[in-house]
Parts: sequence; structure tokens; C-alpha cells
Amino acid sequence: DAGVIQSPRHEVTEMGQEVTLRCKPISGHDYLFWYRQTMMRGLELLIYFNNNVPIDDSGMPEDRFSAKMPNASFSTLKIQPSEPRDSAVYFCASSPHERGSYNEQFFGPGTRLTVL
Amino acid sequence: GENVEQHPSTLSVQEGDSAVIKCTYSDSASNYFPWYKQELGKRPQLIIDIRSNVGEKKDQRIAVTLNKTAKHFSLHITETQPEDSAVYFCAASSGGANNLFFGTGTRLTVIP
Repeated sequence: DAGVIQSPRHEVTEMGQEVTLRCKPISGHDYLFWYRQTMMRGLELLIYFNNNVPIDDSGMPEDRFSAKMPNASFSTLKIQPSEPRDSAVYFCASSPHERGSYNEQFFGPGTRLTVL
Repeated sequence: GENVEQHPSTLSVQEGDSAVIKCTYSDSASNYFPWYKQELGKRPQLIIDIRSNVGEKKDQRIAVTLNKTAKHFSLHITETQPEDSAVYFCAASSGGANNLFFGTGTRLTVIP
């Protein structure tokens, strides 16, 4: 398996533009997570899905952020409009699920977003 | 919700010495505690985890300890090597959810 795939790896955009980040989880994993990493705030969970359904989006910073998972192999995180303070590395992670247990989250390579 | 605190934020050790990173958590229902290692410019990767029915777990030079009464857990790295230099994150799971709450990270530098 290729692992979790994210695209693009780097994104530079101007303030006010729409940004779409993409993630393909590991096949067979039914949990998908979106994280944001900055020096100031560390790793923050933004939202996670179980079987394509959003379970907890309390970490989404504001209405400019939205995430979708239309099928088991694809998810997007959209920022519209983008602002300089959104500059960060965005990680997608996936994990399998065994009833009554916890399982390793596998991270993608991340997307480094720079908003000018 | 769960709150995980991690100390120290930076740690420098001489090669061959031991390194200890400590974390505390707030939710007594948490029962899964993984540790992730993130090398510069790379993704976080799981290096070891511990569940609440175990007090200690070892894997070669790495060990984790858990004190559920005090709600703290620690990562111990013995005989440190330069390739151990990275940022280490602790995390905790909150109750029956599958999501993780991460600490703020410890930047470990092993000096050759």
C-alpha cells in the first residue's frame, strides 16, 4: 500500500483565494482525520470522519473551513477565503478500527500551505 | 474535553545518555497513549503505545510508563543516538472515541 496520499505537497496562494487540500486514506481504513500543525499551536485535530460521516468538527477554526468525504477513498479540506494565519502544514491521517480497541493513525506527508 | 500537557518543550542530551519526556492528561476515561516521532520535514510516525491495563512497555531502547492514578505517562529513550533527534509527541484518546489529543511536542537533540 502506498500509505496515505495527500496533494498538493506545497501550496502558495494569495489571501482571499480558495484552497482545496486532498487526501486519499489507506484502503480499508474507516477513520480519516485532518490535522493542522503550526509552531505556535502544535498538532490540532480539525475534523474526523468515520465511514465517510463527519463525527467531530469542533476543531474547525471557523466557517471558512469545510471538509467533505464523498467516498471511502477521498476527502477534501477547503478554506474559503484563505488568510495568512491559515499558513501551516495540514496532515491527513487514517486508521482502521477494531471494535473495543484503538488503532494506530497513519499520517500522510502533509501539505505545506502558505497564504501571502 | 481531554487536555494533554507535555514537558519539556526542548531537550538536549549527549549521545549515549538517556532522555525522558513527560506528559499529563486530564480525562480519567482516556485509556490509550501513543507516542509519535516527527523528523524534520516529515510526517509523525508511531513509535510506541501503551494501553491503560499496562503500566510499562518496552521496545528495545524505548520504554513508556503509565501512572493512571496520577494521570501521567512518560517516554524513556536509553543509549540515545543522533538519529533519535526529532520532535516527539505524546497523545491520549478520550473515552470511547477514536480521536487523539496531542501534546505540544518535545524537540530532542542528541549531541554526538
